[in-house]
Amino acid sequence: GQNIDQPTEMTATEGAIVQINCTYQTSGFNGLFWYQQHAGEAPTFLSYNVLDGLEEKGRFSSFLSRSKGYSYLLLKELQMKDSASYLCAGDYYGQNFVFGPGTRLSVLP
Amino acid sequence: DADVTQTPRNRITKTGKRIMLECSQTKGHDRMYWYRQDPGLGLRLIYYSFDVKDINKGEISDGYSVSRQAQAKFSLSLESAIPNQTALYFCATSDRGTITDTQYFGPGTRLTVL
Repeated sequence: GQNIDQPTEMTATEGAIVQINCTYQTSGFNGLFWYQQHAGEAPTFLSYNVLDGLEEKGRFSSFLSRSKGYSYLLLKELQMKDSASYLCAGDYYGQNFVFGPGTRLSVLP
Repeated sequence: DADVTQTPRNRITKTGKRIMLECSQTKGHDRMYWYRQDPGLGLRLIYYSFDVKDINKGEISDGYSVSRQAQAKFSLSLESAIPNQTALYFCATSDRGTITDTQYFGPGTRLTVL
């Protein structure tokens, strides 16, 4: 299968910036999703990158490097409500999405 | 009203019992999926369906079966539940007509098998 790796846990301070990294296998890769999931709730779509570079959407930005098999999600001006798990998912040709284990982000006051 | 609904939201059952989890959607999407989520393992695909007559096994289909009763309904069955099927189960939908095929998730069903 396609391995998607991301850190298990991260901690950051309210108002700060945090970067959550994700690495993936490049063979058959089409694009990369980021989802946010609050505890006990459904994942919700944040972004989808298919081209190299940074895409900004308000306080959240997502970056992709296709040649390096690397993506990151950048969260600026952190708020307490940003405490959640962030799921990286690879979109591969001829396959369904492959999700990483998720990164649980704790935002501290 | 929610676009993707799941019933029940919580269920406790005993080993060997047959369980059915139901999913309905009002988004008009062709594609529907069942995932399970376990701590530290992320979301894993159980079954998926691209239309009413198209059912496919996912990564971890053993011990599960599905039924696509209509475009809007996709049910997951555990024929004989076992404790290691204790997990959070999510249904999701996506639209074949979109470029990104973004998935939209239901609220989840928390299943405990004793």
